[in-house]
Amino acid sequence: EVQLVQSGPEVKKPGESLKISCKGSGYRFTNYWIAWVRQMPGKGLEWMGIIYPGDFDTRYSPSFQGQVTIAADNSISAAYLQWSSLKASDTAMYYCARPRVSGSASDAFDIWGQGTMVTVSS
Amino acid sequence: DIQMTQSPSSLSASVGDRVTITCRASQGISNFLAWYQQKPGKVPKLLIYDASTLQSGVPSRFSGSRSGTDFTLIISSLQPEDVATYYCQRYNSALTFGGGTKVEI
Repeated sequence: EVQLVQSGPEVKKPGESLKISCKGSGYRFTNYWIAWVRQMPGKGLEWMGIIYPGDFDTRYSPSFQGQVTIAADNSISAAYLQWSSLKASDTAMYYCARPRVSGSASDAFDIWGQGTMVTVSS
Repeated sequence: DIQMTQSPSSLSASVGDRVTITCRASQGISNFLAWYQQKPGKVPKLLIYDASTLQSGVPSRFSGSRSGTDFTLIISSLQPEDVATYYCQRYNSALTFGGGTKVEI
C-alpha cells in the first residue's frame, strides 16, 4: 500500500526551531515529488513547496520562500519541512502530499499524509 | 502569478439537489486543474484531475468540466456524506489552491 506517514504533533515556543517529517512507503521514493501544504486553523489549503528526492530539485511558493526549508533523505525515504525560528503565525496543520504521476511536479495530489499539527505559543 | 477564484465560498442545499461550484483562473491553465474534498477534521481527498477525469473510487455523481478559464465541479445529487469543503487547485506550474467552498445541508 502506498502511503505517507507524518511525524506527530508538536508544541513549540516562538523562536524555536523545528523539523517535521513525512515518510513514504509502498513505492520508489526517489521517483515522485513530495509537496508540503499548510492549513491554518479554520482556513484553506496553501501550497508551500515541493521537492524531488531523485535529484533534490526544490521549488517554493513565493509566499514561503525564505520562511521554511524543504529537504529529503533518500536513505530512509523521508521528506522534511523545517523552520529555523518559529512564529505564532506558523501554528497550523501541515500535510505532505504526492503527485499522481511519477517524475511530475505538475499533477494533482492523490496520496496525502495524515497531517502534523504544529502549535507555536509562548 | 495566476490566481484561482472559487465561488461561492459557501452554500446550503438539500439532499438530492444538484450543486455547482466554480473556479476561475486569471489566465489560461489548459486542463491542469484538480478538485479536492475535505471533510471536517480529515485529510483532503482527490476527486477529479485534469479538469474532468474522475479519480478511481469516487462516486459518479461528481463531475468536472472546463470552459476556457472557468472550471466547474458538479455534484449531481447531493448526499449527506458530501458535506465538506471543496477546493480547486491548478498545477500547470505553481500549485495554487482556490479559497474553498463549504457545502452544507
